[in-house]
Amino acid sequence: AQKITQTQPGMFVQEKEAVTLDCTYDTSDQSYGLFWYKQPSSGEMIFLIYQGSYDEQNATEGRYSLNFQKARKSANLVISASQLGDSAMYFCAMREILTGGGNKLTFGTGTQLKVEL
Amino acid sequence: DGGITQSPKYLFRKEGQNVTLSCEQNLNHDAMYWYRQDPGQGLRLIYYSQIVNDFQKGDIAEGYSVSREKKESFPLTVTSAQKNPTAFYLCASSIQGRGSGANVLTFGAGSRLTVL
Repeated sequence: AQKITQTQPGMFVQEKEAVTLDCTYDTSDQSYGLFWYKQPSSGEMIFLIYQGSYDEQNATEGRYSLNFQKARKSANLVISASQLGDSAMYFCAMREILTGGGNKLTFGTGTQLKVEL
Repeated sequence: DGGITQSPKYLFRKEGQNVTLSCEQNLNHDAMYWYRQDPGQGLRLIYYSQIVNDFQKGDIAEGYSVSREKKESFPLTVTSAQKNPTAFYLCASSIQGRGSGANVLTFGAGSRLTVL
């Protein structure tokens, strides 16, 4: 069974600073995918970034980058130049490919990020 | 604009009543999913459907039922058998694909159910 662990219930960061949100995973699959989603207080889930297990380079999307260390089974999210609008809950998730091609995402418990002036 | 519409946004129900949450998508996605979120916890999969007229149980299907009669629609019924139905419910959809691509799940805005 797949498992995602996020050990930081809450994090504080000052505006314009960088912050790293931790995520470790466990799977016996050779092919898998890792996602980060942002959930503002409104409740919607916003996709941020994706890393495939066979991708050799770390994924980047604007101010978001994923520090993928396969041997350590970690997929930490780095947010550079934090903004007040980054305050939200952040979830790490792992994809299991289902028979038939669909996706099952297993989520971690999330990290609540608060950006301060 | 394409997206997922969930309704109602807030719902109150008395114990012993069934309630149905609506989920409609116009993204032409084959796969649809229902997740439940409790405070301080991540999302847990209730049911998923990869094709019309077919669906599978997720990790916490007891007390829930679904149907998939149309590609665009995947309603979730919370039955009286669900012991702790108060939660935030999220519907999602994605394309099908066996490759290593992201096949990102797109989520709706959620429905918050409170049992009185």
